[in-house]
Amino acid sequence: EVQLVESGGGLVKPGGSLRLSCAASGFTFSSFNMNWVRQAPGKGLEWVSSISSSSSYIDYADSVKGRFTISRDNAKNSLYLQMNSLRAEDTAVYYCAREWFGHRFDPWGQGTLVTVSS
Amino acid sequence: SYVLTQSPSVSVAPGQTARITCGGNNIGSKSVHWYQHKPGQAPVLVVYDDSDRPSGIPERFSGSNSGNTATLTISRVEAGDEADYYCQVWHSSDHYVFGTGTKVTVL
Repeated sequence: EVQLVESGGGLVKPGGSLRLSCAASGFTFSSFNMNWVRQAPGKGLEWVSSISSSSSYIDYADSVKGRFTISRDNAKNSLYLQMNSLRAEDTAVYYCAREWFGHRFDPWGQGTLVTVSS
Repeated sequence: SYVLTQSPSVSVAPGQTARITCGGNNIGSKSVHWYQHKPGQAPVLVVYDDSDRPSGIPERFSGSNSGNTATLTISRVEAGDEADYYCQVWHSSDHYVFGTGTKVTVL
């Protein structure tokens, strides 16, 4: 069964840092581009960051560029998101998602909640 | 930036048809994907490349795309279809763009 499981969310103060992880199983992780997508409370889905299968291509939404860093470890079947200089507006459920041809996301993980508050 | 606009909500009686629209400039020239998102659960891809269905998705879910509007149609609506639905495209400058989302309520 293809599965993605996020972890690492929690409560952090403004200006703080947090590292999210996504453990993949059931497929050849090293063959797929991976993404992070978030949903703030009461809001819609927002793409955050993308990394290619070999980490050769990385991209970020303007809202997190310079503060967040995406990475992956294909030997560990894991995806990461290092979040620095966190702001209240970064409060959201963060999902990892596998990217398929045509830039679609399937499947998604269950998400991990990040709350930025003093 | 590229914007995808969805109506905020759609209400439909069980057994009827729900149509969810996604408006964007010349969206007909792009591949549109649709996701179902229930509270507390992972989003699920229900239609990709305008009108294709992933394995396991009922035939009741169908899609179309032309001009400035893409449409997700849910036929013979069931209580379990109640969820938020999002369209999504890839755009050269904005990369992965999601619609504003539509809440489907089954009466």
